[in-house]
Amino acid sequence: QVQLQQSGPGLVKPSQTLSLTCAISGDSVSSNSASWSWVRQSPSRGLEWLGRTYFRSNWFYDYAESVKNRITISPDTSKNQFSLQLNSVTPEDTAVYYCVTGTPGMRDWGRGTLVTVSS
Amino acid sequence: DIVMTQSPDSLAVSLGERATINCKSSQSLLYSFNNKDHLAWYQQKPGQPPKLLIYWASTRESGVPDRFSGSGSGTDFSLTISSLQAEDVAVYYCHQYYGPPFTFGPGTKVDI
Repeated sequence: QVQLQQSGPGLVKPSQTLSLTCAISGDSVSSNSASWSWVRQSPSRGLEWLGRTYFRSNWFYDYAESVKNRITISPDTSKNQFSLQLNSVTPEDTAVYYCVTGTPGMRDWGRGTLVTVSS
Repeated sequence: DIVMTQSPDSLAVSLGERATINCKSSQSLLYSFNNKDHLAWYQQKPGQPPKLLIYWASTRESGVPDRFSGSGSGTDFSLTISSLQAEDVAVYYCHQYYGPPFTFGPGTKVDI
C-alpha cells in the first residue's frame, strides 16, 4: 500500500503562491505504471481534480482547465515526492488539498491539508 | 469535460434496509480498448479523505464489505448498499477516470 505524507503551509495570502509537497512511500514517483495527482475539496466546488504527473520514459503533465494558467506539478526523484504550486491565489482557492495516487480510480490519498487564502 | 450528476442529494435509510445511489455521466465511460467502464465510487466520512469502494463500475476494492455493490454501464451507474449499517453513514461520490480532466459527482449524503 502506498502512503502519502503531505506538508506545506495552511495559510496563504491573496495573490501569493500556494505550495504543497507530497512524500511517497511504498512506490516510486518514477514508476512506469503510476500517476500522481492533486485533488482539492471545498463546499462550493466539491471534489475537484487539479492535475497530475506521470513517467512513461518521459515526464507528462495534465492540468484542469480551471487552473491551467496558474498550476505547476513537479516530481522530485531525489526525494521521491511531488509538489503542487498554485500561483496568484484568491479566497476561492481555499480548500482541503489532497495528493492522490492509485489506478484504476484513486486508491491512495494523503490526509489532506486545509489551505486558507486570507490576508 | 465529462459532467457527473448524482441522485438523490441525500437519503435516509433504516438500519438493515437497502440504499441505492444513482450516477449519470454526460458521455459514455465505456472505453473500447479494454471494454471497461472507467467509473469509481468513494465513501467519505467527516475529517477523512475519500475511500475507494468500487472501480471499473462494479469491482469491489479489497477489504470492502460485500454489502456494497456497483452496477451500470455507459452513462448510467448505481451504488447499492444492500443492508445499511451504522458505519455506512457518509457521503458517497462517483468519479470518472475515463480521461483527463477527471471529474467527480457532487455527492450523496446517506443517513439513518
